[in-house]
Amino acid sequence: KAGVTQTPRYLIKTRGQQVTLSCSPISGHRSVSWYQQTPGQGLQFLFEYFSETQRNKGNFPGRFSGRQFSNSRSEMNVSTLELGDSALYLCASSLGATSGDTQYFGPGTRLTVL
Amino acid sequence: AQTVTQSQPEMSVQEAETVTLSCTYDTSESDYYLFWYKQPPSRQMILVIRQEAYKQQNATENRFSVNFQKAAKSFSLKISDSQLGDAAMYFCAYRSAGGGADGLTFGKGTHLIIQP
Repeated sequence: KAGVTQTPRYLIKTRGQQVTLSCSPISGHRSVSWYQQTPGQGLQFLFEYFSETQRNKGNFPGRFSGRQFSNSRSEMNVSTLELGDSALYLCASSLGATSGDTQYFGPGTRLTVL
Repeated sequence: AQTVTQSQPEMSVQEAETVTLSCTYDTSESDYYLFWYKQPPSRQMILVIRQEAYKQQNATENRFSVNFQKAAKSFSLKISDSQLGDAAMYFCAYRSAGGGADGLTFGKGTHLIIQP
């Protein structure tokens, strides 16, 4: 089975712009979660989607949003980029039936905001 | 809110030796899941081991085992016969079993160095 894929792998944007990141889960997985990883704050949960519905949301401003499509692929969008949004954004997929289902991570998208 | 603490920012071990990484967590819940993830320099997070809180038996996966002490809220990872490929950041993570649970809560990580 193919693993979780994320595109693009690297992205450079300037302050004020917006960006869309994409995640394709493992086949058969219905849940997709997004995490932000920075040297200062570590790994932080952004949100989780299951069957096209946002199931959980972390403590991030409304500039961060996401969606999930009927094929379980997910996108996250960050509007009005700030320097502090520079981070590695990780997507993880799971079966989603229970909160204990193992989350399998993608390679991440490295976002740099100048 | 739950918190996960990894008190060792960095650990070093000789190849073939055994090393134990510490993790403690704070929660008022009785049912939850605990995980150890490994993040090598390639940055891809890989699951090492998973533990269900209601199970008394400690999880094992080949050279990796955990010491789960529920009352002490401790979840340490033991790596036996360390190999060069084990060098990575190791993250301990928690997730509530309750409906509407947030995503994984991670510790700050332990950087494991393997000395040849």
